[in-house]
Amino acid sequence: NAGVMQNPRHLVRRRGQEARLRCSPMKGHSHVYWYRQLPEEGLKFMVYLQKENIIDESGMPKERFSAEFPKEGPSILRIQQVVRGDSAAYFCASSPAKRTGALGPQHFGDGTRLSIL
Amino acid sequence: GENVEQHPSTLSVQEGDSAVIKCTYSDSASNYFPWYKQELGKRPQLIIDIRSNVGEKKDQRIAVTLNKTAKHFSLHITETQPEDSAVYFCAATYGSSNTGKLIFGQGTTLQVKP
Repeated sequence: NAGVMQNPRHLVRRRGQEARLRCSPMKGHSHVYWYRQLPEEGLKFMVYLQKENIIDESGMPKERFSAEFPKEGPSILRIQQVVRGDSAAYFCASSPAKRTGALGPQHFGDGTRLSIL
Repeated sequence: GENVEQHPSTLSVQEGDSAVIKCTYSDSASNYFPWYKQELGKRPQLIIDIRSNVGEKKDQRIAVTLNKTAKHFSLHITETQPEDSAVYFCAATYGSSNTGKLIFGQGTTLQVKP
């Protein structure tokens, strides 16, 4: 059973360009989460999605950032007009849903290291 | 508010000794508390978790305790080994575990000296 797959592992962009980060959840997982990690810091929640729905985007910057999880294909985190401060590791996690309604444990992918020149 | 405080930020122990990392949380509705281990340049790996209906959980050399009244939880690693060296993060759900949102502590860098 493949784990959470993220690509690319490393992404370099110049200021003003767009960055697209992809995440395929573990098989059987229908919940996806995106987190950002700055060097030597903890993970900061950005957004929680289910198929075709954004459930909680309270950690997403209001401008330039968007996320989607379409019916078919991976979840995408999109950053438009990138700035130096966007340089970070972006981790995706996925979890199953339980019969009780509670969410299962979140398992992380290897992350995308985004560098802005 | 949503806040998880983690201490200490660094911890150095001798191989074979025990290590304890402590976290406090602010949201009284939190009911799920996972711990992750992250090696340099790698993904955070879930090592143990606990839900609010239990006070303690153990898995071989790793245990977690939860005090809901005081809103703190701790990770205990016994008989530490050099391969336990990593950054450890605690986390708590913001609200119930149905919300999906995890609030992470700042991390503890554990060094186990051979």
